[in-house]
Amino acid sequence: EDQVTQSPEALRLQEGESSSLNCSYTVSGLRGLFWYRQDPGKGPEFLFTLYSAGEEKEKERLKATLTKKESFLHITAPKPEDSATYLCAVQALDTGNQFYFGTGTSLTVIP
Amino acid sequence: DTEVTQTPKHLVMGMTNKKSLKCEQHMGHRAMYWYKQKAKKPPELMFVYSYEKLSINESVPSRFSPECPNSSLLNLHLHALQPEDSALYLCASSNSGTGGIGTQYFGPGTRLTVL
Repeated sequence: EDQVTQSPEALRLQEGESSSLNCSYTVSGLRGLFWYRQDPGKGPEFLFTLYSAGEEKEKERLKATLTKKESFLHITAPKPEDSATYLCAVQALDTGNQFYFGTGTSLTVIP
Repeated sequence: DTEVTQTPKHLVMGMTNKKSLKCEQHMGHRAMYWYKQKAKKPPELMFVYSYEKLSINESVPSRFSPECPNSSLLNLHLHALQPEDSALYLCASSNSGTGGIGTQYFGPGTRLTVL
């Protein structure tokens, strides 16, 4: 069964304290892995798409990496405005354009 | 431009009301989606339209009725809802047609409250 698991469920960081969020997946074949940021009461905001193991993408303080079993979202020197829920989603080869979402990591950055 | 718009932003309705949610995108995307999201949970897929045809219906109760009038518009008609249907309803679109790789871009959502 296709599954996506995110950890930790919640993370509190001091401003400037770098860390990583994890997204583990089990699918029969990966078509793409997607990271989103979601603020309370708003729609998810697209961050990155990763297609194959070894791929990396960066945007400001965020860097996403992908292996055959998991993806990491690295946050370098976070600021309070990085506080949000980060969602990981996977598109599998055999399920058309359907996404499987993880349950998210709630990040709080304390000034 | 990767904008998906949704109206209204907020909706309060009684259990006997009929209302509609609207979604629009002008990115030329051929797949459009409705999701339901409860607090502190991930989005839950309801419907997928691909090339204006309903391709996925995730066993959603018939009180939710989707409609895709054209490739840019997606509606969700609501009738006889229950209080447990209160949630954030999200629309998304992607440039994948029938299974290609496609980043989904989400709208801001409609916050629905059923009294």
